[in-house]
Amino acid sequence: DAKTTQPPSMDCAEGRAANLPCNHSTISGNEYVYWYRQIHSQGPQYIIHGLKNNETNEMASLIITEDRKSSTLILPHATLRDTAVYYCISLATGGGNKLTFGTGTQLKVEL
Amino acid sequence: DVKVTQSSRYLVKRTGEKVFLECVQDMDHENMFWYRQDPGLGLRLIYFSYDVKMKEKGDIPEGYSVSREKKERFSLILESASTNQTSMYLCASSLKGGANYGYTFGSGTRLTVV
Repeated sequence: DAKTTQPPSMDCAEGRAANLPCNHSTISGNEYVYWYRQIHSQGPQYIIHGLKNNETNEMASLIITEDRKSSTLILPHATLRDTAVYYCISLATGGGNKLTFGTGTQLKVEL
Repeated sequence: DVKVTQSSRYLVKRTGEKVFLECVQDMDHENMFWYRQDPGLGLRLIYFSYDVKMKEKGDIPEGYSVSREKKERFSLILESASTNQTSMYLCASSLKGGANYGYTFGSGTRLTVV
């Protein structure tokens, strides 16, 4: 599975969009991009995933560049409850789908 | 609401004790996983299982074993607990069949070995 790179921390004002970048320059054609987040003292929570098309759900949007070497998770109207560590993970298809977590981005949403 | 349930939220055990951490999922998932999480080291995979009675080593299996006798239950066993196994332990499950399915995590068990 390809290695991903994320900034260690970001700040965002409440009500504004939070744009969290992720680089995955070695991603292969069968690898999806997954995003999870972990609020303090809880288990990680699935947010969204995509292969090459942009995706949107009730939590967030995922924008994947055309060359698939990077992506951005967008929380359109961040709230204080979105303060968490956000993990970007690339994962190949197939039965052996083991998630490997990096160190993620600590997002702090402030008033 | 689908769930992954870990039997204990907090646990304190003595060095040398045999410790069982239990995880149960109600989603009929084939895959189950055990991670530990430590400050500065992130989540690291200990063991995983793709089916009943099957198990595979993850990245840090030393000092641990697992048991999967039923599809819904995956147990992590510390044969002889040591202080360096003090950590947050997280269980997860997922459907078989490729990366098009997310993982569901439990709330974690914070184990302290004294």
